[in-house]
Amino acid sequence: DVKVTQSSRYLVKRTGEKVFLECVQDMDHENMFWYRQDPGLGLRLIYFSYDVKMKEKGDIPEGYSVSREKKERFSLILESASTNQTSMYLCASSFTGTGSVEQYFGPGTRLTVT
Amino acid sequence: AQTVTQSQPEMSVQEAETVTLSCTYDTSENNYYLFWYKQPPSRQMILVIRQEAYKQQNATENRFSVNFQKAAKSFSLKISDSQLGDTAMYFCAFHPNTGNQFYFGTGTSLTVIP
Repeated sequence: DVKVTQSSRYLVKRTGEKVFLECVQDMDHENMFWYRQDPGLGLRLIYFSYDVKMKEKGDIPEGYSVSREKKERFSLILESASTNQTSMYLCASSFTGTGSVEQYFGPGTRLTVT
Repeated sequence: AQTVTQSQPEMSVQEAETVTLSCTYDTSENNYYLFWYKQPPSRQMILVIRQEAYKQQNATENRFSVNFQKAAKSFSLKISDSQLGDTAMYFCAFHPNTGNQFYFGTGTSLTVIP
C-alpha cells in the first residue's frame, strides 16, 4: 500500500516563526503536492513538484515556499507564519502516466498560528 | 481553466438508504480522469472511485457507483445501502491527461443517520 506520512498531526506556532511541514511518500511517485484545506473552500493547491528540485506554484503560493531535495520528500515552509495561515495542510503524491494516476494523501497537519 | 462544482454542501441519508452526490466540471480537455475522494472525520482522505473519460461504462466499487455524463460534464456518486461509516466529507476531483494538477470541488458533507 502507498504510504504518505506527514511530520506532525497538530502544530501550534507563534506569529513570525518559520514553520517546516514535511511529507514523505514511499511509492516512488514523481509528483508531490501541498494543499490547504479550509471549510467551504475545499482543497486549494499551494505548490506542487513533478521531479526532484522542480516546483510549480499553485493557486495560493503567497507566504509559502517548498523544497524537494529527494524524490520521496517534499517540504512546505512558512517563512514567517501569520494567523491567516491557520489551517489544515494536506500532502499528496501521485504517479505520472496513464493508469494509476490518482493522488494518495497524508493524514494532514492541523496548524494553528497564535 | 478547469473548475469542479459540488452544489450540495451538506446532505443526510438514513442508514440503508441510497444517496446521490452531485458534481459538475468544466473543461476543454477530451481525455481526463474523474475521482471521488472520501474524508472521514479526523481521518485520512482516501480514494472511493475513479472514472476514465474515454470509458463509457460507469465505474462501480461495491456499494459505490458513478453516473458519468461526458457531454453534460456531470459526475455523480451514488452510495447504496448507506452505512454509518459512510459519514464523511466527499470531494469530487478532476485530472487532465495533459498536466499534473488535480482540481477539487468544495466538498459535500454527508451524514448517515441511524
